[in-house]
Amino acid sequence: QVQLQESGPGLVKPSQTLSLTCSVSGVSISNGDYYWNWIRHHPGEALEWIGYRYYTGDTYYNPSLKSRVSISVDTSKNQFSLRMTSVTAADTAIYYCARSYSGSSTFGYWGQGTLVTVSS
Amino acid sequence: QSALTQPASVSGSPGQSITISCTGTSRDVSAYNYVSWYQHHPGKAPKLIIYAVTSRPSGVSHRFSGSKSGNTASLTISGLQAEDEADYYCSSYTSTDTLVVFGGGTKVTVL
Repeated sequence: QVQLQESGPGLVKPSQTLSLTCSVSGVSISNGDYYWNWIRHHPGEALEWIGYRYYTGDTYYNPSLKSRVSISVDTSKNQFSLRMTSVTAADTAIYYCARSYSGSSTFGYWGQGTLVTVSS
Repeated sequence: QSALTQPASVSGSPGQSITISCTGTSRDVSAYNYVSWYQHHPGKAPKLIIYAVTSRPSGVSHRFSGSKSGNTASLTISGLQAEDEADYYCSSYTSTDTLVVFGGGTKVTVL
């Protein structure tokens, strides 16, 4: 059974770096069939896809966030992580990790999401 | 980024059928058969219920069905049940650099 679970600080100060980790179980993160994604949701607005990482190291980021985000993988822990720099209040959102088939825009499995608030 | 347009809320009585629309553009919904729908009960992980416009993943109830006409995709829930009360989001592949775009979500209320 595939499961994803986000973890990380719920509160980040403005201008600092947001770091979240997604722990994956039930499938190897090195499986070449899948992309590993981050998505966020500002309540009341549309979901926003942040980016993905493939097991080869290939990444692709939403152009609107590309300059501030990176996604990395720790295969030894079967985890992948999101790093977002220079955060502002506009980055306050629920952050989800999700799995998609490589080359697909469909997200077959999601984590429960974690709320990150940017505030001093 | 341009989001897909969904109604904020839809309601129906148990046993009825309801339809949620998802309107996009020539860069996403109308151009590709890559529309997906997700069910989200707050506090839980979103669940994929429709992909490729009309396909249901294994284990998803046949009461959920998808369709598309032009730049509008639709999700129909037939035989509405109390457990269907949730938020529903659509998404589509897009030819823009964003790759995928989502709708704003529709809250379904079972009366």
